[in-house]
Amino acid sequence: NAGVTQTPKFQVLKTGQSMTLQCAQDMNHNSMYWYRQDPGMGLRLIYYSASEGTTDKGEVPNGYNVSRLNKREFSLRLESAAPSQTSVYFCASSEQNRDEQYFGPGTRLTVT
Amino acid sequence: QKEVEQDPGPLSVPEGAIVSLNCTYSNSAFQYFMWYRQYSRKGPELLMYTYSSGNKEDGRFTAQVDKSSKYISLFIRDSQPSDSATYLCAMTRNQGGKLIFGQGTELSVKP
Repeated sequence: NAGVTQTPKFQVLKTGQSMTLQCAQDMNHNSMYWYRQDPGMGLRLIYYSASEGTTDKGEVPNGYNVSRLNKREFSLRLESAAPSQTSVYFCASSEQNRDEQYFGPGTRLTVT
Repeated sequence: QKEVEQDPGPLSVPEGAIVSLNCTYSNSAFQYFMWYRQYSRKGPELLMYTYSSGNKEDGRFTAQVDKSSKYISLFIRDSQPSDSATYLCAMTRNQGGKLIFGQGTELSVKP
């Protein structure tokens, strides 16, 4: 039982490049989330998916897109990376209507 | 003004000390309150969960919620070096709703 897995663990991009962050969970959870964590800002919700087939914007969605590929997988795409997107990205999942979220180990992204 | 404010620290205490971590919030609609613990270079994990006002104890940890003051606290008794981590408060209006996190407080417990 791996829980929530994220790939890659580290990534360096140049401004304007694109990439997709992958997330998968094996807990049969309905809800999945993408957060970014920046110093002094805590965790901020980018997008979430309450159930397979649905996605909604969070607090900071600009510059990102998401895909809920199936119940297990939820990907985050940066179409044209900017230095302001340098951050640590966490994927999380939870049972529907439950507040305990299970987090992955994070992806450390640097945009130069 | 952020909806949830948390002193970022860092906070350094000797082993065995009592630690108090706090958050204030502005939205009186919040009803569910959580503390997550995040070790260095790891994802957060849920430590304590409380509903509405009151206290909840789990071993050396006590979570306290005062809705009238919009203030929540986490107390750690007999702190250990293994408690060294960042502690994030989080809260939501409805069960299963979007969580709003504080900035996190970095705690270091020195042997």
